Amino acid sequence: QQQVKQSPQSLIVQKGGISIINCAYENTAFDYFPWYQQFPGKGPALLIAIRPDVSEKKEGRFTISFNKSAKQFSLHIMDSQPGDSATYFCAAVFDRGSTLGRLYFGRGTQLTVWP
Amino acid sequence: KAGVTQTPRYLIKTRGQQVTLSCSPISGHRSVSWYQQTPGQGLQFLFEYFSETQRNKGNFPGRFSGRQFSNSRSEMNVSTLELGDSALYLCASSGGGGTGDNFGQGTRLTVV
Repeated sequence: QQQVKQSPQSLIVQKGGISIINCAYENTAFDYFPWYQQFPGKGPALLIAIRPDVSEKKEGRFTISFNKSAKQFSLHIMDSQPGDSATYFCAAVFDRGSTLGRLYFGRGTQLTVWP
Repeated sequence: KAGVTQTPRYLIKTRGQQVTLSCSPISGHRSVSWYQQTPGQGLQFLFEYFSETQRNKGNFPGRFSGRQFSNSRSEMNVSTLELGDSALYLCASSGGGGTGDNFGQGTRLTVV
């Protein structure tokens, strides 16, 4: 059973546009929600993360919006650039303390930004 | 600061053989996790180690095992390889206090 559902599977955006990727989860015990960016031939890189007591977190052009009641969270990439073309994964973790814990990943979104 | 180092980067093995993959975490990180990435199943958790103790294990058969050494380096072993074990195996390390999580570049295992 997929604990974290991610959509869309693929996304094409024009340079300068806004890319939006959505994730939904069922288990309310999750307490840490990271997003990862992965380029071909590389491992995932942590982009931004949020805890459920916060509704929004922004870092540069990347924003996470979190809706606790709907059990949904999304990644917004403002002013999308060709260099943002990559696969993006959302994830969720129980009890994110001193260790990473077990990440439950979404299936990924392949983002292509056209110049 | 050196990142997470995984060796080897690429590996080709025959069905029935066994393989050992290595992961060196970022200096000072005591937590190491392993993931399997395939096009069909996506990213799946294998196990997590902290201070040489396995804290968590995913839903993989007993052919998949791991360990962590006192210097926090970790190894995972897969015995009796099957074609379906072909995947990118990723290692991640994390520090205490919620510091950044870091993945290595992975080991690409091909079973023929």
